[in-house]
Amino acid sequence: KQEVTQIPAALSVPEGENLVLNCSFTDSAIYNLQWFRQDPGKGLTSLLLIQSSQREQTSGRLNASLDKSSGRSTLYIAASQPGDSATYLCAVGRGGSEKLVFGKGTKLTVNP
Amino acid sequence: GAVVSQHPSRVICKSGTSVKIECRSLDFQATTMFWYRQFPKQSLMLMATSNEGSKATYEQGVEKDKFLINHASLTLSTLTVTSAHPEDSSFYICSASQALNQPQHFGDGTRLSIL
Repeated sequence: KQEVTQIPAALSVPEGENLVLNCSFTDSAIYNLQWFRQDPGKGLTSLLLIQSSQREQTSGRLNASLDKSSGRSTLYIAASQPGDSATYLCAVGRGGSEKLVFGKGTKLTVNP
Repeated sequence: GAVVSQHPSRVICKSGTSVKIECRSLDFQATTMFWYRQFPKQSLMLMATSNEGSKATYEQGVEKDKFLINHASLTLSTLTVTSAHPEDSSFYICSASQALNQPQHFGDGTRLSIL
């Protein structure tokens, strides 16, 4: 059974700092990995999608890496801003069926 | 692009009531829609997968007679919580995907509170 773990559970940083969020998964036979952002009481916004054949994806100040063999992914946020404050969720796709297994998330607070 | 609309955003009702939640893909056709449930400080848990025109596939432990899913068109899926009880109170989120290997796009969720 696939399990996804995100560390740390919460992170507080000053504005402007670069930071890394971690995600690990137990079954390396994944189809893809996706990073999401969730604001309080809201749904999910897709940030980056990495296919199993890829090693990283970039979008603006965000960079996500994937190491399937070790079952790890990182989300790097450069020059953090208060508007980046949210919960960041990592999810892996099982097989080719698009089903996603989520971690519990990392709650990020960026202080002005 | 790729907007998913979920309605209502919040429901408060008495125990025993049935509640319907709608999930619409506004600017794309969704061959597959997913329904998730999220308890406070927990992960999103997949409840069921629905494909247009066919029966939904439920995850283990999810009662299909309690959580009725209909995916009548390529832009609309509905989840009906029948005879809801306080333990059904949760945050329900839908997502939609255009095709295999495409990202899932999520609605804003529905906060269901059963008194």
